[in-house]
Amino acid sequence: DAGVTQSPTHLIKTRGQQVTLRCSPKSGHDTVSWYQQALGQGPQFIFQYYEEEERQRGNFPDRFSGHQFPNYSSELNVNALLLGDSALYLCASSLQGASSYNEQFFGPGTRLTVL
Amino acid sequence: AQSVTQLGSHVSVSEGALVLLRCNYSSSVPPYLFWYVQYPNQGLQLLLKYTSAATLVKGINGFEAEFKKSETSFHLTKPSAHMSDAAEYFCAVSDGRGAQKLVFGQGTRLTINP
Repeated sequence: DAGVTQSPTHLIKTRGQQVTLRCSPKSGHDTVSWYQQALGQGPQFIFQYYEEEERQRGNFPDRFSGHQFPNYSSELNVNALLLGDSALYLCASSLQGASSYNEQFFGPGTRLTVL
Repeated sequence: AQSVTQLGSHVSVSEGALVLLRCNYSSSVPPYLFWYVQYPNQGLQLLLKYTSAATLVKGINGFEAEFKKSETSFHLTKPSAHMSDAAEYFCAVSDGRGAQKLVFGQGTRLTINP
């Protein structure tokens, strides 16, 4: 049973460019959440997708956008990259309604470096 | 709003010694609490979770944590440290509603001395 997978593993971009990160959820899961983890910090919630819609959003600007596909996979897009966007981007998947708390399973992350 | 404070960004213990990683939370509703571990260049792995059942929670790799509402704490312990426990540990809180987003602490780096 494949867990959460993310691609690419590493990415280097320059300021002003745009980037797309991809996530495939754990088999059977229908919900994808994205987190940004800056160096030496804890992860911060960006947004969550369920039924192909953004369900909740954290305190991130509109430069951060996402999409969920019918097969539940998801993309995170960041426009007009800033140096401060350099971070590990983590994807987590869960199943809605599975229990009183929908446990989130994390992927290995995509390391984005903005030069 | 919910928040988590992890006391001590770096903890160092000897192999075989007690591990104690501290976590205090703030939440206006009954919280769900979690401890995650992150090994270098890897994602997060769930160690254990408190979801309003037993206040003493046992997790993987011999770790356990106790929910203390009066102290708003959820400290992580392990009786005897092993070299393989060296990693970054994150405490997180969720209100269990809506998107059930996780709010993480800053993390504690655990070093094990031989």
